[in-house]
Amino acid sequence: DAGVIQSPRHEVTEMGQEVTLRCKPISGHDYLFWYRQTMMRGLELLIYFNNNVPIDDSGMPEDRFSAKMPNASFSTLKIQPSEPRDSAVYFCASSLSRVLSYGYTFGSGTRLTVV
Amino acid sequence: GNSVTQMEGPVTLSEEAFLTINCTYTATGYPSLFWYVQYPGEGLQLLLKATKADDKGSNKGFEATYRKETTSFHLEKGSVQVSDSAVYFCALKKAAGNKLTFGGGTRVLVKP
Repeated sequence: DAGVIQSPRHEVTEMGQEVTLRCKPISGHDYLFWYRQTMMRGLELLIYFNNNVPIDDSGMPEDRFSAKMPNASFSTLKIQPSEPRDSAVYFCASSLSRVLSYGYTFGSGTRLTVV
Repeated sequence: GNSVTQMEGPVTLSEEAFLTINCTYTATGYPSLFWYVQYPGEGLQLLLKATKADDKGSNKGFEATYRKETTSFHLEKGSVQVSDSAVYFCALKKAAGNKLTFGGGTRVLVKP
């Protein structure tokens, strides 16, 4: 398996523009998580899905952020409009719930810079 | 609620030194415990895990023992290398639900 695949690896955009981050989880995994990492705040859980259904989005910072999972093999995190304070590394992770000892598998992240 | 507390970094040490990163947790029942490592510019990778009391997880020369009596899962390595420079995260997962609770991360810098 290729692991969790995120795209793009790097994104530079201007303030006010829409940004879409993409994630392909590991096939067969039933949970998907979106995290944000910054120096100031560390690793923050934004939202997670179980069987494509959003379970907890309490970590989404503002209404400018939205996430979807239209099928088991694809998820997006969208920021509209983007702001400089959204600059961070965004990680996607997937997991298999039926195995308690199974952790998460993380993607390589998308480094977002909003100028 | 569940929580994980780990020592703040950065931890700076010389090559071949002994490394310990403390991790304690708060949770009811018997969670599974994990250590993740994040190398510069990369995502988090599972380093090792333990699923029950007194279990010892090990990988790449790192070890951690699940201590129920002290609610701890300290990470140790006997002789670090420059390539071990990274951020290390301790985490727990409860039997109910599939959510990992992470500690704040500890940055380790190994100098030649």
